Amino acid sequence: AQKVTQAQTEISVVEKEDVTLDCVYETRDTTYYLFWYKQPPSGELVFLIRRNSFDEQNEISGRYSWNFQKSTSSFNFTITASQVVDSAVYFCALSERPLPLDMRFGAGTRLTVKP
Amino acid sequence: DTAVSQTPKYLVTQMGNDKSIKCEQNLGHDTMYWYKQDSKKFLKIMFSYNNKELIINETVPNRFSPKSPDKAHLNLHINSLELGDSAVYFCASSPTSGGPYEQYFGPGTRLTVT
Repeated sequence: AQKVTQAQTEISVVEKEDVTLDCVYETRDTTYYLFWYKQPPSGELVFLIRRNSFDEQNEISGRYSWNFQKSTSSFNFTITASQVVDSAVYFCALSERPLPLDMRFGAGTRLTVKP
Repeated sequence: DTAVSQTPKYLVTQMGNDKSIKCEQNLGHDTMYWYKQDSKKFLKIMFSYNNKELIINETVPNRFSPKSPDKAHLNLHINSLELGDSAVYFCASSPTSGGPYEQYFGPGTRLTVT
């Protein structure tokens, strides 16, 4: 069965530091979909990125970047020059089916960025 | 303008009561979901409906019953509430034409059972 592991329960950094959130997944399928969501203190879940298993290209969006490596079953998320507003719980998720999505979430990593 | 809305935002009730949480999406999506987030922030899918048809039904007590009157609504009814039902419940939706697509989540309903 699909499984997502976010081994880092909590991370604390000082503003402007770079930080990487780890995500390791398990699946028997060759086609699958990976996601990152952000949950700020206000509680809503905000979509950040989706990745298909056949697209290993890394992605950069502003200060955010994602490193997808099938060889290590990892989909890590890096925030460059972190800011206080980045403080949130970040979830990695995996779906083995596209329609409808059957997302299984990791336990989340709580990131605290201190000024 | 709200894409996925839930009511109520907070729900405090006593054990044994029956309650409902409503969810509506105005995105034109044909798939909707319910998730439960426990006190440790762990998120778990409960149900998924596609075009009013139940697709995913995780191991959830049968006290929980989803109802989809139309594609834009997916309500969650909970019978005989228990202390362990206290959690934040999130509704979500996604399109399924040519997917996969990400899910859009509602703001959540914090249920407290006393």
